[in-house]
Amino acid sequence: GAGVSQTPSNKVTEKGKYVELRCDPISGHTALYWYRQSLGQGPEFLIYFQGTGAADDSGLPNDRFFAVRPEGSVSTLKIQRTERGDSAVYLCASRPEHTDTQYFGPGTRLTVL
Amino acid sequence: AQSVTQPDIHITVSEGASLELRCNYSYGATPYLFWYVQSPGQGLQLLLKYFSGDTLVQGIKGFEAEFKRSQSSFNLRKPSVHWSDAAEYFCAVGMMDSSYKLIFGSGTRLLVRP
Repeated sequence: GAGVSQTPSNKVTEKGKYVELRCDPISGHTALYWYRQSLGQGPEFLIYFQGTGAADDSGLPNDRFFAVRPEGSVSTLKIQRTERGDSAVYLCASRPEHTDTQYFGPGTRLTVL
Repeated sequence: AQSVTQPDIHITVSEGASLELRCNYSYGATPYLFWYVQSPGQGLQLLLKYFSGDTLVQGIKGFEAEFKRSQSSFNLRKPSVHWSDAAEYFCAVGMMDSSYKLIFGSGTRLLVRP
């Protein structure tokens, strides 16, 4: 079956611009996660959705970052007033209910010039 | 605070040689432990996981890992490395609250000599 998909695969933007990154989880997966992977580092947790609600957003670095999942499926990570330090690969993962394993998408590489 | 340490940034082994990648964790209880592999341009793929029970766990692609509580370690092993194993390997701790969010180490890049 289809895995987690993320669009776009690459995004180049200018400092100060607004960007949206999209995640399509595996069908039926109730939990969805966003992680950020900077160059040479492991992924860092950003936010976790259970259904439509953000159950844990403790990893969002500041209020320029926001994420939504309005219908409990597709999620969008939104970054306002982008900074060069936001450049990273943004990973999305989904997990079925009552299990422990997350399935990762290929990521979106964001470059802020 | 929970954390994961992978002390080796790079490891180079010859094809056919054995492999051990080190992982140490800090967590207040018995953790969920995972190893993921990331190939260039690919997403993270789960190799194996440990929650409880037998401390030696088998995974895909011939990998295994051993949980040692006394050493707070969860090292990944493979008896004979193939060139296709060249990739980045990440150890992770999973939170035992309802989130199951993952705390990753910084990764170990494996290079395989022909």
